[in-house]
This record gives sequence, structure tokens and C-alpha cells, in this order.
Amino acid sequence: NAGVTQTPKFRVLKTGQSMTLLCAQDMNHEYMYWYRQDPGMGLRLIHYSVGEGTTAKGEVPDGYNVSRLKKQNFLLGLESAAPSQTSVYFCASSYSEVEQFFGPGTRLTVL
Amino acid sequence: AQSVAQPEDQVNVAEGNPLTVKCTYSVSGNPYLFWYVQYPNRGLQFLLKYITGDNLVKGSYGFEAEFNKSQTSFHLKKPSALVSDSALYFCAVVYNKLIFGAGTRLAVHP
Repeated sequence: NAGVTQTPKFRVLKTGQSMTLLCAQDMNHEYMYWYRQDPGMGLRLIHYSVGEGTTAKGEVPDGYNVSRLKKQNFLLGLESAAPSQTSVYFCASSYSEVEQFFGPGTRLTVL
Repeated sequence: AQSVAQPEDQVNVAEGNPLTVKCTYSVSGNPYLFWYVQYPNRGLQFLLKYITGDNLVKGSYGFEAEFNKSQTSFHLKKPSALVSDSALYFCAVVYNKLIFGAGTRLAVHP
């Protein structure tokens, strides 16, 4: 099993550009999450999904959109990137609201 | 508000010595508590969890954690540190969703 994978691993954007981060899991998990990690702030939840076709806002949802059209995929979109969105983004999945499995991360820089 | 605190930004330990990484929490009801480890340029890996039962929880790589309800703490411990334990450690509590502490960087020196 590949577990949780994220695409791409690195990306540099200019302010105002858009992009989509892809998260895929092969563990048949119902729950999926997007976090951002910033120095000294731990991980903060952006959006999450409790099943195919559902999404919900987390702690820091502004400037991001998500979609969960297939159970195994969870997409994170930035419609108009800002320098404040420079961060490392982690996707995670879980079979319940308890133990989560994390992807390797995407390092995004917005110039 | 529900929260997790890791009071130390960094912990320095000599190899072979015992280590402790501190975590305190503030959450309503009975907490579900976790420790995760993050190695450089990697995602978080699960170490151990406390749901219920014995207050001393054993996890991966020889780590253990002690749940103390009266002190609302869940400190991570290891009897003998290895240089390879050097990493970023996160404590987390479930309150609807996982709430993470800010992280503690553990540096084990030879």
C-alpha cells in the first residue's frame, strides 16, 4: 500500500496564480484532512471531509477550497495565491476521527 | 477553549540519557491524546495514543507516555535516548478534530 500520497512535492507560485494540490489514499478511509504547517504554530486544519461528496471548514479555511468527488482523493485549491499561503501542506486520512495517517507534504512558496 | 500546550520549543539530551517531552491539555470531558513524530522533510508519523485504560501507554521506537488526569498532562518519555530520535514531536488531543500543539524539537547529542 502506498498509504497517503501528495502531488506535487514542491511548487512556487506568483501572487494571484491558482493551483490544486492532490491527495490520494489507498486505505479506504472515510475521513480526509488538509493541514498547513507553519513554524512555531504546529498544524492547523484547513478543511476536512467525512466522506465522499462532503467537505467542511476547519480552523483556517479562508483562501482555500476543497473537493472530494472520489473517496480516495481530496483536492485542495488555491484560487488566487497570496504570500501568506507560503507553507508546508499536509494531507491526512483516517478510518475514524481518531488516528490519522499523514502524507509526505507539499512545500508551497508564493512570491 | 480546547487547546494543547508544549511548553518547550526545544529539548536537548545526551545519547543514552532519559528524555521527557512535555505536553499539557485543556479539553472538556475525557481526552483522546496522541503523540506524533516528524523527521526532516517528512510527514507526521503516529507514535502512541491514550484513549482509556492504563495511564502508561507504550508506543513505537521505545517511547512511552503517561496520562495524568489531575495534572492534565501527557508527557512523552524514553528511558535511553538515541541520536536517531532527533526530530520534531507533536502532542495532539481530539476535540471534534485533532488539535495539535506547536511542537517540540528534540535534539539528542552523541
